[in-house]
Amino acid sequence: SQQGEEDPQALSIQEGENATMNCSYKTSINNLQWYRQNSGRGLVHLILIRSNEREKHSGRLRVTLDTSKKSSSLLITASRAADTASYFCATDGDRDDKIIFGKGTRLHILP
Amino acid sequence: DAGVIQSPRHEVTEMGQEVTLRCKPISGHNSLFWYRQTMMRGLELLIYFNNNVPIDDSGMPEDRFSAKMPNASFSTLKIQPSEPRDSAVYFCASSRDRFGGYTFGSGTRLTVV
Repeated sequence: SQQGEEDPQALSIQEGENATMNCSYKTSINNLQWYRQNSGRGLVHLILIRSNEREKHSGRLRVTLDTSKKSSSLLITASRAADTASYFCATDGDRDDKIIFGKGTRLHILP
Repeated sequence: DAGVIQSPRHEVTEMGQEVTLRCKPISGHNSLFWYRQTMMRGLELLIYFNNNVPIDDSGMPEDRFSAKMPNASFSTLKIQPSEPRDSAVYFCASSRDRFGGYTFGSGTRLTVV
């Protein structure tokens, strides 16, 4: 299975602090993606990092990828209340378009 | 673009009834995916289509589940007969290719009583 596993399962931090979530996967990938899901809503694509990339930024988001360790991290800087959501990593295979999701990290930003 | 459109948003049905979930992908997206989300099992890929052709249905739990994509702008997921354990949120997603990420619909919350 190429399923990613996020760590921690849940995370609570104070507003303004940085939040770091990790993802580990099992097999070789072409790319890894991070998604956000607000309660009761669909998933929203945040960022995609390719297997030949090591780091990528998008606004307050920073994603790293270490293919030797089969792991990725998502850093949200200067967290806001609106960042409260579940965050999922998703990995693909090298032959098809389907991606498999992990079970997510529930992030709660405390006021 | 209105995004991926799913209907209905909520469905409550009695055990044994047929349920049909609908999805309209984003125009120009070649791949369409059906996922099911539960607390216990997380997000499970049920089936996906590429250019309207089913590519991988290995995630479809049982023969009670079937999916069709008669054209590039419409797909259905049918459960017949439905059972209480089918209760979940069903998401449809579409993508142009593997490099742009998926766009998800808002989901259909199915409750089978």
